[in-house]
Amino acid sequence: GAVVSQHPSWVICKSGTSVKIECRSLDFQATTMFWYRQFPKQSLMLMATSNEGSKATYEQGVEKDKFLINHASLTLSTLTVTSAHPEDSSFYICSATSGGSGPLDEAFFGQGTRLTVV
Amino acid sequence: AQTVTQSQPEMSVQEAETVTLSCTYDTSESNYYLFWYKQPPSRQMILVIRQEAYKQQNATENRFSVNFQKAAKSFSLKISDSQLGDTAMYFCAFASYGKLTFGQGTILTVHP
Repeated sequence: GAVVSQHPSWVICKSGTSVKIECRSLDFQATTMFWYRQFPKQSLMLMATSNEGSKATYEQGVEKDKFLINHASLTLSTLTVTSAHPEDSSFYICSATSGGSGPLDEAFFGQGTRLTVV
Repeated sequence: AQTVTQSQPEMSVQEAETVTLSCTYDTSESNYYLFWYKQPPSRQMILVIRQEAYKQQNATENRFSVNFQKAAKSFSLKISDSQLGDTAMYFCAFASYGKLTFGQGTILTVHP
């Protein structure tokens, strides 16, 4: 299967600072990438959908000014958590799809990033 | 919008026994995938099995099989010959255009 690499795997940052998480498709061109958030022992909740070269589409309730998403190339999308606070501590996971199969596009997951804000 | 419901927050099974995890979903779309993912403590999402909605035949993958009832919008996962390594959280997911909607998850514990 296709490989998606997410970096870093874990990060600790101070409250008020920003942190960037990268999601790379290593062996395919990802026309669409998705960002999910998961709190402990809970489900994955979609935060936003990003298409290469265009603005991300955010789900209801997700602050677009706080969670900046950039999908500047077909192999890289970044999620920047700005002015992070302890309540932003969570597990963030990206997935990527190459497109072309319409409804049956398959998404491939990165390994996730554990963010702790202290 | 799609919804996915897993009504079993926790399940347990003895090693070598069989266990079935339930999942129901709701959608108005006709072309889609359904998935079962395993999430061990590492939190890496591991694909267990997938089912294309247009296929009537139930998917199987070694010890894992599904019972897909499209009309009833039901998609259960059966794990046969359970192993200790199957202990994890399991998510049922609906997928269309690469976008996944997940159920609440079921924590499965396999006891020796």
